[in-house]
Amino acid sequence: NAGVTQTPKFQVLKTGQSMTLQCAQDMNHNSMYWYRQDPGMGLRLIYYSASEGTTDKGEVPNGYNVSRLNKREFSLRLESAAPSQTSVYFCASSEGYGVYEQYFGPGTRLTVT
Amino acid sequence: GESVGLHLPTLSVQEGDNSIINCAYSNSASDYFIWYKQESGKGPQFIIDIRSNMDKRQGQRVTVLLNKTVKHLSLQIAATQPGDSAVYFCAENIRGYSTLTFGKGTMLLVSP
Repeated sequence: NAGVTQTPKFQVLKTGQSMTLQCAQDMNHNSMYWYRQDPGMGLRLIYYSASEGTTDKGEVPNGYNVSRLNKREFSLRLESAAPSQTSVYFCASSEGYGVYEQYFGPGTRLTVT
Repeated sequence: GESVGLHLPTLSVQEGDNSIINCAYSNSASDYFIWYKQESGKGPQFIIDIRSNMDKRQGQRVTVLLNKTVKHLSLQIAATQPGDSAVYFCAENIRGYSTLTFGKGTMLLVSP
């Protein structure tokens, strides 16, 4: 099992460009999450999907959209990238909603110039 | 690029020492806690969890202690090894909420 995979690993965008970060899990988990991690700060939740077919905003959703494509895949889209979105993005999944252990992917390092 | 480890409190220990990493929380309604380890350039990795109806839980070389009176959580690592060098952070779930809130983390540096 690969666990949680993310693509790409690195990306550089110019301000205003768009892109989609891909995430997939092979653990048959119901819930999936997108976080961003900035230096000196804890992980902050952008969006999550409690189960296939549902998505909800987290702490910092502005400037992002998500799609739960199927049970395995959960993508994060930046429609018009801004320098403030320079960060490391992590996707995670869990067996259930909320209190269950979350498994993280290796991250995508995004730089917006 | 800038490392997630910058600006974090740092604990430096010698190989073989026991390490204690602390985490304070503020919400008395928090009822589930997790410790994660994050190595440089990787995603966080689950270490151990504890529910609020427990004071202590042990794993392999790790122990988590929960003091609800002072809202304090600690992770003890026995016989610390160079491979334990990483950023460690706690996460909590507040009763009634469905998501985790993550702390900023502590960097553990283990020298041989």
